[in-house]
Amino acid sequence: DQQVKQNSPSLSVQEGRISILNCDYTNSMFDYFLWYKKYPAEGPTFLISISSIKDKNEDGRFTVFLNKSAKHLSLHIVPSQPGDSAVYFCAAAGNQFYFGTGTSLTVIP
Amino acid sequence: DGGITQSPKYLFRKEGQNVTLSCEQNLNHDAMYWYRQDPGQGLRLIYYSQIVNDFQKGDIAEGYSVSREKKESFPLTVTSAQKNPTAFYLCASSFSGPHSPPQSEGYTFGSGTRLTVV
Repeated sequence: DQQVKQNSPSLSVQEGRISILNCDYTNSMFDYFLWYKKYPAEGPTFLISISSIKDKNEDGRFTVFLNKSAKHLSLHIVPSQPGDSAVYFCAAAGNQFYFGTGTSLTVIP
Repeated sequence: DGGITQSPKYLFRKEGQNVTLSCEQNLNHDAMYWYRQDPGQGLRLIYYSQIVNDFQKGDIAEGYSVSREKKESFPLTVTSAQKNPTAFYLCASSFSGPHSPPQSEGYTFGSGTRLTVV
């Protein structure tokens, strides 16, 4: 049973616009959420995280929002750049890390 | 530079053969993990180890085996009992184990090994 879901397998955005990647989870006991970025034939690299006691965390162009009542988090990238084109995984931390299926972002120049 | 190294990058195996994937880290991390990635699925945990000479099964351990004789090394053997071994395998490490509050950056991942059964 998938505890972390990313329902959009792909997303295309024009350069300079906002990219919004979404993630839903089922377990209200998760205490930390993370986003990873993955290029082809490489391992995921950490991007940004948020504690369950917060509702927003910002790092440069990247902002993660957490809505605990909806069990939903989102990653906003503003402005989007071609180098942001990659697969983005969300992950939730409980007794282990649970990963979503990933969303492939394409930023069009 | 500190990091985590997986080898080989690509691996081909004949049906019925065992094969071992290498994972080495020089980050002084205590915990190490093996994940499997299949198309359309998230990363699934195969095995993890929090300390030397100790390891635990993850969600999909059947057909796999591991060892942790050194802190730096956590090799994964894909045995002939694994019915569908073709996949992308990722090794990861962290300072804290999965039952501890994670550091804000979670895991450090290797670059992966793509295993194909021919």
